Amino acid sequence: EIVMTQSPATLSVSPGERATLSCRASQNVGRHIAWYQHKPGRAPRLLIYDVSTEATGVPARFSGSGSGTEFALTISSLQSEDAAVYYCQQYDDWPPFTFGQGTRLEIK
Amino acid sequence: EVQLVESGGGLVQPGGSLRLSCAASGFTFSKFWMNWVRQAPGKGLDWVASIKQDGRDEFYVDSLRGRFTISRDHAKNSLFLQMNSLRPEDTGIYYCTRASEWQWPPGTFDVWGQGTTVTVGS
Repeated sequence: EIVMTQSPATLSVSPGERATLSCRASQNVGRHIAWYQHKPGRAPRLLIYDVSTEATGVPARFSGSGSGTEFALTISSLQSEDAAVYYCQQYDDWPPFTFGQGTRLEIK
Repeated sequence: EVQLVESGGGLVQPGGSLRLSCAASGFTFSKFWMNWVRQAPGKGLDWVASIKQDGRDEFYVDSLRGRFTISRDHAKNSLFLQMNSLRPEDTGIYYCTRASEWQWPPGTFDVWGQGTTVTVGS
């Protein structure tokens, strides 16, 4: 089973600044990485798939990068509504599909 | 509008059973892989099970195989999760999800329901 490790656990960033969230896979997952945004009481939302492809309706300030085992989600200019928990997920070697433990993004 | 609506959660005693349902609307249900993902209290997301478009292939996380069964009914546009021999550690929110069309592997979940809460305890 591929283990996904996210860092940091919590990130606090001021509005308008850039936020970078990291994700590491325990083995090479190629480009089979997705990122989800999850707000309390809401359904999770697909943001990015195939490392860097934006899902439908996702604002352009969200971007994904990386390859192999190291990946990142960048929010270029943070807005208040971006406060959420963000999860990376691999779908290269399955079953199982595996998620990271999440990064909580706080707005200062 | 593309929508998934879960139901069937509730309080059940350890060792009991529950059947979760997910009603799909706004898309051609039979064309998509479907999945269940759960979230234990205070924890992250965990994939539970997936089922192929025709319902003939099912996949489970190893720890749940034998206790949980995923199925689908195209006439009712519905996904199900039969959960038996429930344990306290099965407590959580269960989300129904759709895998993106034309994506392989079928592991990008582009539509999610609001979830249904399962509590296993006395």
